[in-house]
Amino acid sequence: SYELTQPSSVSVSPGQTATITCSGDNLGSQYACWYQQKPGQSPMLVIYQDNKRPSGIPERFSGFNSGDTATLTISGTQPIDEAVYYCQAWGSNTLWVFGGGTKLTVL
Amino acid sequence: EVQLVQSGAEVKKPGESLKISCGGSGYTFIGYWIGWVRQMPGRGLEWMGSILPEDSNTRYSPSFQGQVTISADKSTSTAYLQWSGLQASDTAMYYCARGYCSDGSCSGGFDHWGQGTLVTVSS
Repeated sequence: SYELTQPSSVSVSPGQTATITCSGDNLGSQYACWYQQKPGQSPMLVIYQDNKRPSGIPERFSGFNSGDTATLTISGTQPIDEAVYYCQAWGSNTLWVFGGGTKLTVL
Repeated sequence: EVQLVQSGAEVKKPGESLKISCGGSGYTFIGYWIGWVRQMPGRGLEWMGSILPEDSNTRYSPSFQGQVTISADKSTSTAYLQWSGLQASDTAMYYCARGYCSDGSCSGGFDHWGQGTLVTVSS
């Protein structure tokens, strides 16, 4: 089965840029999405179709997907961005697959 | 406003059956996939399966095929996830989410989520 690999944790200082990676075999041939989940809350979509932001998602969130890696970048990271971030890929054969999640700490 | 409202928390014994629900409103229910996602305590998200209510086309993750059944009722705009024999390992939060797909591609991800249903299985 298809697998997506994320680092378990990433730390960033407030105001700096956070980069979270998601790796999978030829991931660039699929579409990548990213979700933010805060404690006790349902996940929330922050990036879809590799690099698009849903309405209401701040511009500091951006995405890129090429080769074997998709990347979520948060520019000017704020304390409110502290959460677990999950990547998710969709392909016509693999359907929906989630990565293991990355805990982003802003300190 | 798009809303997915899930049924309440459940406490069951091993071997019992269970059916939880997810009601959609604020959009054309039959035109969007509904996915079910498991989150075990302290763990990540796992896609279980998805259904397109328009024609009940259902796709399962290989990990959950044969373990659960996903269905939908167009008349009530409700999707369901059911088990015929629960195990302690089924203890988890279960989310439903709307899958945004167009032209055969579901690149839009799960754009709206329910509040989750906590299922606890214990003897």
